[in-house]
Amino acid sequence: NAGVTQTPKFQVLKTGQSMTLQCAQDMNHNSMYWYRQDPGMGLRLIYYSASEGTTDKGEVPNGYNVSRLNKREFSLRLESAAPSQTSVYFCASRPGTGGMGSYNEQFFGPGTRLTVL
Amino acid sequence: QKEVEQNSGPLSVPEGAIASLNCTYSDRGSQSFFWYRQYSGKSPELIMSIYSNGDKEDGRFTAQLNKASQYVSLLIRDSQPSDSATYLCAVATSGTYKYIFGTGTRLKVLA
Repeated sequence: NAGVTQTPKFQVLKTGQSMTLQCAQDMNHNSMYWYRQDPGMGLRLIYYSASEGTTDKGEVPNGYNVSRLNKREFSLRLESAAPSQTSVYFCASRPGTGGMGSYNEQFFGPGTRLTVL
Repeated sequence: QKEVEQNSGPLSVPEGAIASLNCTYSDRGSQSFFWYRQYSGKSPELIMSIYSNGDKEDGRFTAQLNKASQYVSLLIRDSQPSDSATYLCAVATSGTYKYIFGTGTRLKVLA
């Protein structure tokens, strides 16, 4: 199993350009997440998908859109990139759709380092 | 505003010592607690999860939870230089899909 994969690993954009970050998991997990990580800010939730066919906003959704393409794939789109979106983006997945126990454990992809000039 | 607080460190311990990392949380409805290790430039890696009050041991790692005090900790016994990393505490409330992460504690194990 590859686990959670993300593409690309690195990206440089100019202000106003658009791009899509791709995420896929092969663990048959139900829930998927997009986070950004900035120095001193910790991990902040952008959007999540509790299950296939649903998406919801997290803490910092402005400037982003998501698509849960199928159970495996969850993409994050920046329509008009801004320097404030320079960050490291992590995708994560979780087995279950609720409750406690190991169903709650999140597993992270390797991340995408995005720079917006 | 639900919060998870961690001392940013760095916490420096000599090789072979016990490292103690602490985390407090504000939401009394929290029911799931996680510790992640993150090496510089890498993604977070789950090392421990705990759901009930008390201690949970896994190898050199022990997670401790005290829901009354809203406190969760991670002990690393026989610390090794390879344990040098940032440790993130994460908290989730049962029935929700959202996790709140602390900003992490940087641990340095000195050889």
